[in-house]
Amino acid sequence: DAGITQSPRHKVTETGTPVTLRCHQTENHRYMYWYRQDPGHGLRLIHYSYGVKDTDKGEVSDGYSVSRSKTEDFLLTLESATSSQTSVYFCAISPGTEYEKLFFGSGTQLSVL
Amino acid sequence: GNSVTQMEGPVTLSEEAFLTINCTYTATGYPSLFWYVQYPGEGLQLLLKATKADDKGSNKGFEATYRKETTSFHLEKGSVQVSDSAVYFCALTTNNNDMRFGAGTRLTVKP
Repeated sequence: DAGITQSPRHKVTETGTPVTLRCHQTENHRYMYWYRQDPGHGLRLIHYSYGVKDTDKGEVSDGYSVSRSKTEDFLLTLESATSSQTSVYFCAISPGTEYEKLFFGSGTQLSVL
Repeated sequence: GNSVTQMEGPVTLSEEAFLTINCTYTATGYPSLFWYVQYPGEGLQLLLKATKADDKGSNKGFEATYRKETTSFHLEKGSVQVSDSAVYFCALTTNNNDMRFGAGTRLTVKP
């Protein structure tokens, strides 16, 4: 299995609080992605990174920010969590743009009350 | 824009039954098509892919054929097993940083 670790695995928080999710990889892959998974929507891309300090927005980026200060870590921050951000969040990595080499972490279940 | 529509579940089958999960797509350009599988408590794993029209992707007894004329990429398996119980996602990309997923179809196989 590709070395991807997401933390925390589960989190419950209150509306209006900041939340940071962490994705850590040991594969030295260039690309890292954050997706959210919701019933009826499948996975939707939030943000992605194509290198240290190089990030770009995805399909559903509003209310989220990201940072990548090291190759191995990609952080997703909800500055002020809302109930609509209750979801399962998946990190994914790939060495380049070949999607057959896209590997997913095990996910973070976030509940915003 | 690009999008994927797959049949709603859940799908419940008996062991050794034939499986079809329908997937159709809308895309500009020439997409690559994928099926991913998600087992309970895990992330998605690539099951199979096809990168051009008439290609057939296959893996672990699953198959899907890229049909440009019907914009479809249906997943099939001739004889399902209990261990195939999972959620299956159809996906496409035309731009390698914009993978679009379907909503997922939950499959339960009963002994």
